[in-house]
Amino acid sequence: QKEVEQNSGPLSVPEGAIASLNCTYSDRGSQSFFWYRQYSGKSPELIMSIYSNGDKEDGRFTAQLNKASQYVSLLIRDSQPSDSATYLCAVNHGSSNTGKLIFGQGTTLQVKP
Amino acid sequence: DTAVSQTPKYLVTQMGNDKSIKCEQNLGHDTMYWYKQDSKKFLKIMFSYNNKELIINETVPNRFSPKSPDKAHLNLHINSLELGDSAVYFCASSRQNSPLHFGNGTRLTVT
Repeated sequence: QKEVEQNSGPLSVPEGAIASLNCTYSDRGSQSFFWYRQYSGKSPELIMSIYSNGDKEDGRFTAQLNKASQYVSLLIRDSQPSDSATYLCAVNHGSSNTGKLIFGQGTTLQVKP
Repeated sequence: DTAVSQTPKYLVTQMGNDKSIKCEQNLGHDTMYWYKQDSKKFLKIMFSYNNKELIINETVPNRFSPKSPDKAHLNLHINSLELGDSAVYFCASSRQNSPLHFGNGTRLTVT
């Protein structure tokens, strides 16, 4: 079992729809969770971080965390073609403070005009 | 500009050569990392340094040797390059338990 799992996609949604990206992780001791967006040929950029159970909203983005189910998701409302990218889920491994982030393989999102 | 910068951006070399990638951050972060992203976009940690001290050393061939002359710099030296080393290498930095800030990547192609 991979430590952080994502559906590689592609996930295709029409412009204006809600895109839902999912991620599961194996280490129950994980404390910090992040979503990065990576455009083709570019570096990953942080778009959301979440540390406690529940929802966290930032503009059109909502991150959801359920530690009991070891599940973290990202919702993108009113999807735009500019949201088309690969979304990487990252989990801080265990409760240590070494900052070792484990990444999922990423989900490719395509927003069609 | 405050950033993580790495050079070169592209590196094309032949098998058996030795090459280095340099990384510098001016964000005042204590921890720096090297990640490797393969052709399937899978991003995997290689090394991490905190205040010039190696704290993470994943299962990476001995041909890869990181060097941190100070906490703002983390270089990666690769000996005897192999075809399988072709990938994009990302440098990153962070404060403790905070998100990573990535450099723009170095695309290494070994022929």
